[in-house]
Parts: sequence; structure tokens; C-alpha cells
Amino acid sequence: DAGVTQSPTHLIKTRGQQVTLRCSPISGHKSVSWYQQVLGQGPQFIFQYYEKEERGRGNFPDRFSARQFPNYSSELNVNALLLGDSALYLCASSLGWGSQETQYFGPGTRLLVL
Amino acid sequence: AQKITQTQPGMFVQEKEAVTLDCTYDTSDQSYGLFWYKQPSSGEMIFLIYQGSYDEQNATEGRYSLNFQKARKSANLVISASQLGDSAMYFCAMRERKTTDSWGKLQFGAGTQVVVTP
Repeated sequence: DAGVTQSPTHLIKTRGQQVTLRCSPISGHKSVSWYQQVLGQGPQFIFQYYEKEERGRGNFPDRFSARQFPNYSSELNVNALLLGDSALYLCASSLGWGSQETQYFGPGTRLLVL
Repeated sequence: AQKITQTQPGMFVQEKEAVTLDCTYDTSDQSYGLFWYKQPSSGEMIFLIYQGSYDEQNATEGRYSLNFQKARKSANLVISASQLGDSAMYFCAMRERKTTDSWGKLQFGAGTQVVVTP
């Protein structure tokens, strides 16, 4: 079975631009989460979606938004990019919202903002 | 306050030796989950092992085992018989119960860089 897939793998943008990152979860998984990982740090939680509803939001500005589609894939949008948005963006999927759900991560999208 | 603390920024270990990676956590919840992930230089986070707060036995998955000491809020990862392919960043993470029927975000530590030498 295919794992979590993300596109694109790499992206270069300039300050002020907008970017959309995409994620397809493991087949059968209904929950998708997004994380930002700045170089040298652990991932920071951005959003979690389950059954197309937002179930959690991290401490990120409103420039960050996301949605989940009926097929459970997800998009993360970042508007008005800043240099500090340069990071590895990781998507993770899990079966559901249960007590022991393991999140499985995709390969990530490396975003560089110039 | 830091929820997950990994005090070892980096360590070297010889091939075939065992290595212990430290992780302490902070929570007032009774119900939570602890996870370890491996991140090679390629960037993908690879799930290694899970320990639930109510699990009485320490979790094991192949060469990975988790030394869970609940009273000390410690969840150390032990990798036995290290291999060159084990060289990577290792992250400890925790998920607390948000409500009675939902769980919150995964919270990660800063990670420990492991280099396995021949």
C-alpha cells in the first residue's frame, strides 16, 4: 500500500507570494495533520482535520489555512509568505481520532522563501 | 513550558552496540500516548514505537524498545545492535487527551542526532 504522499517535494517562492501544499493520506485514513519543521527543531503542529472538519489548530497566524476534501486529501495554504516560513512542511495521516492513533508521515515539502 | 525534553543533542555509537535515547515529558493528564520517530537526512518521519500511558508492559518493536517509567515521566528509547542505517535524528513525541473522545496534537521534542560508526 502507498504511504502518505505530498506534493511538490521542493518549492521556492518569494516574500509576499502564496503557496499551496498538497497531501494524500494512506488509503483508509480519515485524519490528516500538518506540521512545520524549521531547520534544527522538532515539528510544530499547524492543523488537524478529521472527516473534513478542523479538529485542531496550532499557534500559527491566519495566513495559514487548510482544508480536507471528500477523498480525505488535504491542502495547506500559506498567504503573504515571510522569510521565516522557510521550512519542511510535513503531512501525517491516521485512521481516525481514537486514543492510540499513530500518525504516519509523508516525505514533506521543502519550502524556501527568498 | 516544554512538554517533551530530549537532553542529548547528539551522540555517537559503534555498530552492533546498544544506545539509549533519553526523553522526559510533562503532562497532568492521566491518559496520553508517547511516540518515537526516526528522521533520516531525507526528511521523512518514520514511526518506530508507541507506548500508551495505561500500558503496563514496556513497548517493543524489533530492535526498538521503550523504557517507560511513568512515575518519573520518562520514556527512553533503546536501540539494540545498532546498524549504520540507524544514523538519523530521533524524536520523542507525546499526544495528550484533549476531551473524553478526542486527542490533541502530537508535541515533539528537539530531537537527538545519532551517528553510528563502523
